[in-house]
Amino acid sequence: GESVGLHLPTLSVQEGDNSIINCAYSNSASDYFIWYKQESGKGPQFIIDIRSNMDKRQGQRVTVLLNKTVKHLSLQIAATQPGDSAVYFCAETPNRDDKIIFGKGTRLHILP
Amino acid sequence: DVKVTQSSRYLVKRTGEKVFLECVQDMDHENMFWYRQDPGLGLRLIYFSYDVKMKEKGDIPEGYSVSREKKERFSLILESASTNQTSMYLCASSPLDRSNSPLHFGNGTRLTVT
Repeated sequence: GESVGLHLPTLSVQEGDNSIINCAYSNSASDYFIWYKQESGKGPQFIIDIRSNMDKRQGQRVTVLLNKTVKHLSLQIAATQPGDSAVYFCAETPNRDDKIIFGKGTRLHILP
Repeated sequence: DVKVTQSSRYLVKRTGEKVFLECVQDMDHENMFWYRQDPGLGLRLIYFSYDVKMKEKGDIPEGYSVSREKKERFSLILESASTNQTSMYLCASSPLDRSNSPLHFGNGTRLTVT
């Protein structure tokens, strides 16, 4: 069945460097994508979203890129800080009535 | 900001007990969801509701039921708790059109069944 996956379960990045977290999705009909951040002991927190009619969207220190040709989604975090340490999930919505599909998450470790 | 509040952060219950997990949202959202989160399995949908008194089964409804008597409140019920229901439970809400809005999550209830 369709699934949203992440390429790496963990990612270690030096403080101050940029982080890139990747996600592959399988349903070409998906038209809405979301990135969540989950800190230890907390629920997932919305970071940024993107619709399928866009290929890039920027927020504060975060950028989401969508490549529909290869069904790939990425989250870029600029100048990674200790507070960015968390698990990051991607999610896709195949259509307005369908269930949201979550990836299993990438744990981002920040090295001092 | 949307606030989704789960009544308990931690719960410890015994096998066979009836367990109620409560969730309240303050943004007048039509949709509410219950997920469980387990290591290596990610988020799995238990039940969701798109309106008062309406409910739909998710991917893993067995052993659970839900109640939505008011728009802002969605309860998850474990009729007879079992050890395999030890998990992190996450409640979420969203507007009716899920194709345009993210889910907003509570901080979770970590349930241990002994």
